[in-house]
Amino acid sequence: GDSVTQMEGPVTLSEEAFLTINCTYTATGYPSLFWYVQYPGEGLQLLLKATKADDKGSNKGFEATYRKETTSFHLEKGSVQVSDSAVYFCALSDQGYGQNFVFGPGTRLSVLP
Amino acid sequence: DTAVSQTPKYLVTQMGNDKSIKCEQNLGHDTMYWYKQDSKKFLKIMFSYNNKELIINETVPNRFSPKSPDKAHLNLHINSLELGDSAVYFCASNSDRANTGELFFGEGSRLTVL
Repeated sequence: GDSVTQMEGPVTLSEEAFLTINCTYTATGYPSLFWYVQYPGEGLQLLLKATKADDKGSNKGFEATYRKETTSFHLEKGSVQVSDSAVYFCALSDQGYGQNFVFGPGTRLSVLP
Repeated sequence: DTAVSQTPKYLVTQMGNDKSIKCEQNLGHDTMYWYKQDSKKFLKIMFSYNNKELIINETVPNRFSPKSPDKAHLNLHINSLELGDSAVYFCASNSDRANTGELFFGEGSRLTVL
């Protein structure tokens, strides 16, 4: 079945550092790819998405590129802020009826001032 | 207006009890989900309903029974609660017509079984 693998956390960075969170996937079809973010005590919310190969999703200074050849969707940000501290989930959805989303295990990011 | 709302937000109960968590979405979506998030933040799908029809039913104990009275509501009833049921349960919805659409999550319901 489909699956998503993320780098294990926690990741601790200083403010203004460069962030990369690796994500790779396995899927039988051509999934859409997503990054969701969960701030403390809240539900998940969409950060960015890409629906086909070579698409780049971006939002709030974060970006990720759908790489079909390496089955990857790594999340990057050039300069993190304390407010970016959260848990980040990579996810895919197949194109079928009912849209079964598959989530990675999440990566906790802590940004220190 | 909250798009996906769950109640209660916190639930503390004894082993063996029966409890329900309610979910409502006002986004006009036709697909709703229940996810379970354990203490390590791992998120696992439990059920999915599309227009009141059960679409996804992952391997969960049959003590868990979803009920969808209409496409805007998906409630989760849990019988004979066990310690291992302690988790945060998230309701979510999306539009099946937008095949690449995002999931909209509720704020979660933290269940603690003593």
